[in-house]
Amino acid sequence: AQSVSQHNHHVILSEAASLELGCNYSYGGTVNLFWYVQYPGQHLQLLLKYFSGDPLVKGIKGFEAEFIKSKFSFNLRKPSVQWSDTAEYFCAVNFLSGGSYIPTFGRGTSLIVHP
Amino acid sequence: NAGVTQTPKFQVLKTGQSMTLQCAQDMNHEYMSWYRQDPGMGLRLIHYSVGAGITDQGEVPNGYNVSRSTTEDFPLRLLSAAPSQTSVYFCASSLQTGWQPQHFGDGTRLSIL
Repeated sequence: AQSVSQHNHHVILSEAASLELGCNYSYGGTVNLFWYVQYPGQHLQLLLKYFSGDPLVKGIKGFEAEFIKSKFSFNLRKPSVQWSDTAEYFCAVNFLSGGSYIPTFGRGTSLIVHP
Repeated sequence: NAGVTQTPKFQVLKTGQSMTLQCAQDMNHEYMSWYRQDPGMGLRLIHYSVGAGITDQGEVPNGYNVSRSTTEDFPLRLLSAAPSQTSVYFCASSLQTGWQPQHFGDGTRLSIL
């Protein structure tokens, strides 16, 4: 089965620090890549997505992600975090299998930003 | 513009009971899916549908049943509730299958005693 790994389970930063969250996947075929954010008590919201083209993708709230095909990675970055970025972050990969895209989520990274 | 609507928001069941979690979307999205979210496990796909009349199993389908008689509705049925099914359930939809869940419902928190 395909898998998505998020190596950082818990990250604690101070405001204005830079953020990078890792995401790796196990599939060598066609994929679409996504990052979601889940604020406490809320549902998931799409931060950004990559289908094709420029491997550097910019999303909402100042987040960006870079797709490195050779490393099977799609890391999320933000130059300067804010207290309001405290949330859970999920990487997700849509694997193309048998004509359908099958979504698989990573286990999530909990980010706490101290003011 | 309601997006994805899930009901109920909370539910407590006894072991062995059955129930249906409702999900409706008003965006004419073809792709709908159900996930369960457990601590430290991320979201796991239960069932999905690529259009009315078409459903398929995801990663953790056992104990759950779905149907898609209309584009708008995608109910999830628990056939005989078990404590292991205590979880938060999210319904989601997207315009196309490759676009992942674009829109999530607010979730149903389900406890099985």
